[in-house]
Amino acid sequence: EAGVAQSPRYKIIEKRQSVAFWCNPISGHATLYWYQQILGQGPKLLIQFQNNGVVDDSQLPKDRFSAERLKGVDSTLKIQPAKLEDSAVYLCASSPTWSPEAFFGQGTRLTVV
Amino acid sequence: DQQVKQNSPSLSVQEGRISILNCDYTNSMFDYFLWYKKYPAEGPTFLISISSIKDKNEDGRFTVFLNKSAKHLSLHIVPSQPGDSAVYFCAAPINAGGTSYGKLTFGQGTILTVHP
Repeated sequence: EAGVAQSPRYKIIEKRQSVAFWCNPISGHATLYWYQQILGQGPKLLIQFQNNGVVDDSQLPKDRFSAERLKGVDSTLKIQPAKLEDSAVYLCASSPTWSPEAFFGQGTRLTVV
Repeated sequence: DQQVKQNSPSLSVQEGRISILNCDYTNSMFDYFLWYKKYPAEGPTFLISISSIKDKNEDGRFTVFLNKSAKHLSLHIVPSQPGDSAVYFCAAPINAGGTSYGKLTFGQGTILTVHP
């Protein structure tokens, strides 16, 4: 079974630029999550999708972050404009509905300079 | 508000000995807990979980203990191996008792180093 795919693996941008991350979840997983992991901390949930609808985006900084899940499968997370404090690993995860486990991708390491 | 806490940033043990990683939580509504393992440049991978109706769950070398009265859980690795060297996160579903268990709140992580 193929895992959660994310791209790119690494990205370096200057502050105030924009950036986008892509995620392809495990086939058949209805629920998709984006997490932000800052160095030395645990992952923090940004947004949760159920199929193509947003279930929870309460932790998403909506003035600069946006996310969508096209046709209930792939998802993109965008930051515009980026700030230095956005430097982190952005993890995409998916799970079947009602599953107690989330399956994570390898993440995208973003460095804002 | 950190609802799941791992107060030990790092742990170093000798190969073959026991590793004990600790986790405390504040939300008494949490009814399920998970441990994830993370290698550098990889995403977290699920290791073991425990429901609040149990106080112990074992899977091979890994055992998780839950003490509900103390709001404390621990992960025991016996015997520890160099390949176990990784960051370990404990986590709990944010929607305690509800849907979407994969919506998790994580501890800060503990870096485990197992020396040969």
